[in-house]
Amino acid sequence: GQQLNQSPQSMFIQEGEDVSMNCTSSSIFNTWLWYKQDPGEGPVLLIALYKAGELTSNGRLTAQFGITRKDSFLNISASIPSDVGIYFCAGLSSGNTPLVFGKGTRLSVIA
Amino acid sequence: DTGVSQDPRHKITKRGQNVTFRCDPISEHNRLYWYRQTLGQGPEFLTYFQNEAQLEKSRLLSDRFSAERPKGSFSTLEIQRTEQGDSAMYLCASSSGRRGRVSEQFFGPGTRLTVL
Repeated sequence: GQQLNQSPQSMFIQEGEDVSMNCTSSSIFNTWLWYKQDPGEGPVLLIALYKAGELTSNGRLTAQFGITRKDSFLNISASIPSDVGIYFCAGLSSGNTPLVFGKGTRLSVIA
Repeated sequence: DTGVSQDPRHKITKRGQNVTFRCDPISEHNRLYWYRQTLGQGPEFLTYFQNEAQLEKSRLLSDRFSAERPKGSFSTLEIQRTEQGDSAMYLCASSSGRRGRVSEQFFGPGTRLTVL
């Protein structure tokens, strides 16, 4: 089945640093979504990407839909303590197929 | 609160018992999804509904699992004869049927199931 590979699996950064994480697949996806999940809660949608090459921002977050449609990137600028959590990428092949999730990148921010 | 809600938030049960979870989607959303998430993994798709019709089921959804959405609003997920391997977080999500926004799924807080 389709799989998404997220890297890094975890990262520790200092408050104020920028963060980059990515998601790759052997399959093509037509939509990429990025979610953040806090412990014991459901994932919260951060950014949705619909076109290859698209670059979309949401506050300090910026995500890009890779040109090959097999990857996506998420950047967080000037990290703050509340950025701590697990970030998941999810891909969708078409409107009628289920979301496929990666295993997540666990972000820890040191104040 | 206009988000997705799930009830209960936590459920502890003994092996062999039946459990039922409820999900109330965002009111104008006609698509509703169930996912299962285990520790260290991303959510895994179980099934989804468009209005009251169940359109797709994952092979993860064994015969002991059944989901319903009788009036196209709330949904229930029942697990019969629970097993320890069923212990997980069960997540519900909903999305609008509007063109271009079908894929934006909004998740509820989840129901954490522990089977002893």
